[in-house]
Amino acid sequence: DGGITQSPKYLFRKEGQNVTLSCEQNLNHDAMYWYRQDPGQGLRLIYYSQIVNDFQKGDIAEGYSVSREKKESFPLTVTSAQKNPTAFYLCASSISGQLVHEQYFGPGTRLTVT
Amino acid sequence: AQSVAQPEDQVNVAEGNPLTVKCTYSVSGNPYLFWYVQYPNRGLQFLLKYITGDNLVKGSYGFEAEFNKSQTSFHLKKPSALVSDSALYFCAVREEGSNYQLIWGAGTKLIIKP
Repeated sequence: DGGITQSPKYLFRKEGQNVTLSCEQNLNHDAMYWYRQDPGQGLRLIYYSQIVNDFQKGDIAEGYSVSREKKESFPLTVTSAQKNPTAFYLCASSISGQLVHEQYFGPGTRLTVT
Repeated sequence: AQSVAQPEDQVNVAEGNPLTVKCTYSVSGNPYLFWYVQYPNRGLQFLLKYITGDNLVKGSYGFEAEFNKSQTSFHLKKPSALVSDSALYFCAVREEGSNYQLIWGAGTKLIIKP
């Protein structure tokens, strides 16, 4: 059963703690993305990776970090430097190298920081 | 600068009636346009895309969208709404020749009443 998995579905943390969100895909996609979704706003790109061991900052990368050591995995760390980390986080992947491609999304992780 | 506008925060339609969810865009060159749907607390699902060719694009679940270059619009339509179509709908655009980033609209909540 192919797809993208994100874990956990809900995550609670205390302010000042770093937290890592998991994203795994078995679609054999080269490109992976992390988005943040807040109520009433469109998706905002945090980081994206077009290939293993390479990634680029999106529009709101401050306070976040990523790694891409394996093709299947693209974990996101929300650091204590992120001023407003409570949000719904979505991971996506797509075929790379094509001119146009749709993105496939995981189910999301809702992070609450208090 | 690239941008996408979804002018309606919410659209209410009676079951069985036709529905339209509006999207307008602004890019310098040729646009690649996408529609996605999101059910509560879930990831986004791809519905359809316009790359080139026929202005009327057919997608999943009976949805279609019409590309109108002169009006820079890409409205989502369905001839007969179902209660199960109730969800959050996102329009996104990428300019031909740009990088992998999509520019997302803020979303339109579609409510289908029995």
